Amino acid sequence: GAVVSQHPSRVICKSGTSVKIECRSLDFQATTMFWYRQFPKKSLMLMATSNEGSKATYEQGVEKDKFLINHASLTLSTLTVTSAHPEDSSFYICSATSDAGTQYFGPGTRLLVL
Amino acid sequence: DQQVKQNSPSLSVQEGRISILNCDYTNSMFDYFLWYKKYPAEGPTFLISISSIKDKNEDGRFTVFLNKSAKHLSLHIVPSQPGDSAVYFCAASITGTYKYIFGTGTRLKVLA
Repeated sequence: GAVVSQHPSRVICKSGTSVKIECRSLDFQATTMFWYRQFPKKSLMLMATSNEGSKATYEQGVEKDKFLINHASLTLSTLTVTSAHPEDSSFYICSATSDAGTQYFGPGTRLLVL
Repeated sequence: DQQVKQNSPSLSVQEGRISILNCDYTNSMFDYFLWYKKYPAEGPTFLISISSIKDKNEDGRFTVFLNKSAKHLSLHIVPSQPGDSAVYFCAASITGTYKYIFGTGTRLKVLA
């Protein structure tokens, strides 16, 4: 099946700093990538949808200036959490799709903001 | 408003028996449904999907049933194995929108 990687798998940062998370599709070209956030024992909440070469579409309630998304190529999307605060601590997961069907998920990134 | 619901947060099943995980949705526009399996601190792994033009799709030990009139789908795993122990999420989508709406998940524990 399609492989999606994320880096880093875990990051600890100080409050006020910015953190970048990378999402790569390793064996297919991802026309669309998605960023999700999961709180403990909760569902995956879609944050934004990004298409290669265009601006990301953010879900209601997600601050686009805080969660910067770049999809510069068909295999790479990045999520930057700017001026991170402890409430941003969460599990961030990306997914990618090459068509309108199945999304393939990365392994996730655990962010802890101190 | 939770458009996709999994009302059972957990389920325990004996090894070798059938596991049935349920999912309900409210939006009649959804026409594509998926099941994902997730281990702690990992991303979801795709299991099986079904389009609304079908009422059943089978892949090995996994079968998904869709009842459009009841807005209900279920995942059957038979026979259940200890390695199936994980959290299972159902997801619903409208073709062309690319967006998935996930349920809250059901934690399955298969007892050896």
